[in-house]
Amino acid sequence: AQKVTQAQTEISVVEKEDVTLDCVYETRDTTYYLFWYKQPPSGELVFLIRRNSFDEQNEISGRYSWNFQKSTSSFNFTITASQVVDSAVYFCALSSTYNQGGKLIFGQGTELSVKP
Amino acid sequence: GAVVSQHPSWVICKSGTSVKIECRSLDFQATTMFWYRQFPKQSLMLMATSNEGSKATYEQGVEKDKFLINHASLTLSTLTVTSAHPEDSSFYICSARDFGQGLNGELFFGEGSRLTVL
Repeated sequence: AQKVTQAQTEISVVEKEDVTLDCVYETRDTTYYLFWYKQPPSGELVFLIRRNSFDEQNEISGRYSWNFQKSTSSFNFTITASQVVDSAVYFCALSSTYNQGGKLIFGQGTELSVKP
Repeated sequence: GAVVSQHPSWVICKSGTSVKIECRSLDFQATTMFWYRQFPKQSLMLMATSNEGSKATYEQGVEKDKFLINHASLTLSTLTVTSAHPEDSSFYICSARDFGQGLNGELFFGEGSRLTVL
């Protein structure tokens, strides 16, 4: 069975603080993809990153960075120098293309509140 | 980039009526589309996988007779909530995969449709 766990339900930080959102996944597949999405109050999902299971290199995109560690089945997301506009619900998701047809299994989401 | 459009963005209906939500891929062909439901403060739960030209595959616990899915063309899938009740009020989101990119193709999400059943 596949599962994604985001243990942090809510996180509140003050602007300019760094914040890390945790994601732990379970899958028996050797080939899979991991995603992070941002969902602002308006509801639409904003794609942030997709990483395949064979690429463990960390990724940095501006203030965002991702740490993929297969040894601990984790794909954590860090926002550096957070801003109020970062306030949203963030979802981690897992997809196993070959066995599941590419459907996404989402974690429970972490609601990030960045206060000025 | 690729766009998936949902219509309507929001709909309010009376209990007992049926509501149809459309999901369109605007600049690519999608043999497979996915329908998700999201209750307030909760995660997205996959309802069904919609396959062009064939029957949808429903997740366990999802009533296929209540949530009718039709994927009649490579750019359109529809979700019909039949005999809607207040407990069906939710945010429905579709996603589509670019057929041209194969099984590894990117997934694109629609803007979502908020259904309120009175």
